Amino acid sequence: DQQVKQNSPSLSVQEGRISILNCDYTNSMFDYFLWYKKYPAEGPTFLISISSIKDKNEDGRFTVFLNKSAKHLSLHIVPSQPGDSAVYFCAASKNYGGSQGNLIFGKGTKLSVKP
Amino acid sequence: DTGVSQDPRHKITKRGQNVTFRCDPISEHNRLYWYRQTLGQGPEFLTYFQNEAQLEKSRLLSNRFSAERPKGSFSTLEIQRTEQGDSAMYLCASGSTSGAIDGELFFGEGSRLTVL
Repeated sequence: DQQVKQNSPSLSVQEGRISILNCDYTNSMFDYFLWYKKYPAEGPTFLISISSIKDKNEDGRFTVFLNKSAKHLSLHIVPSQPGDSAVYFCAASKNYGGSQGNLIFGKGTKLSVKP
Repeated sequence: DTGVSQDPRHKITKRGQNVTFRCDPISEHNRLYWYRQTLGQGPEFLTYFQNEAQLEKSRLLSNRFSAERPKGSFSTLEIQRTEQGDSAMYLCASGSTSGAIDGELFFGEGSRLTVL
């Protein structure tokens, strides 16, 4: 059973517009969430994270929102740029603050930003 | 290059053969992880070391798989008697208990295994 779900395999957005990538999780023990970005032929790279004590974290053009009651998080990219085209993975972890680092990943969403 | 490096980048082998992958983490990182990724899936956790101690193993890691990190630096992942279902990208990642962002892992480019 998938504990972290990204139900949209792909998303296409026009340059300059907002990209919204969604992620749902089922395990209420998860208390830390991360987004990774992956380009072809490269390993995933860390993008942004949020702990369960917050509902929003912002870093430049990237904002992650967490809705604990709905077990849902989303990544907003504003404005979207062609260089943002990549596969985005949502990941979750337990034991924040003493994390074992065993991240559970979703299947990913492929974002295409068109000029 | 001071990132995570993996070798080889691509391995093609026949079913039943043994293969070994090597991972060199970022030097100051004390944690090292192995993940496996198949087409259309996200990375799946296999095992994790803190220094030289293997602290967690996934149920995915059958007894044909063994990982070591003998001196708390580089790590090897060996797959014995490979099966076609072992074909995947094997990702290594490292992290630090004193890292600024808990849970942040730094991934290598992966070792792609093809079992014929």
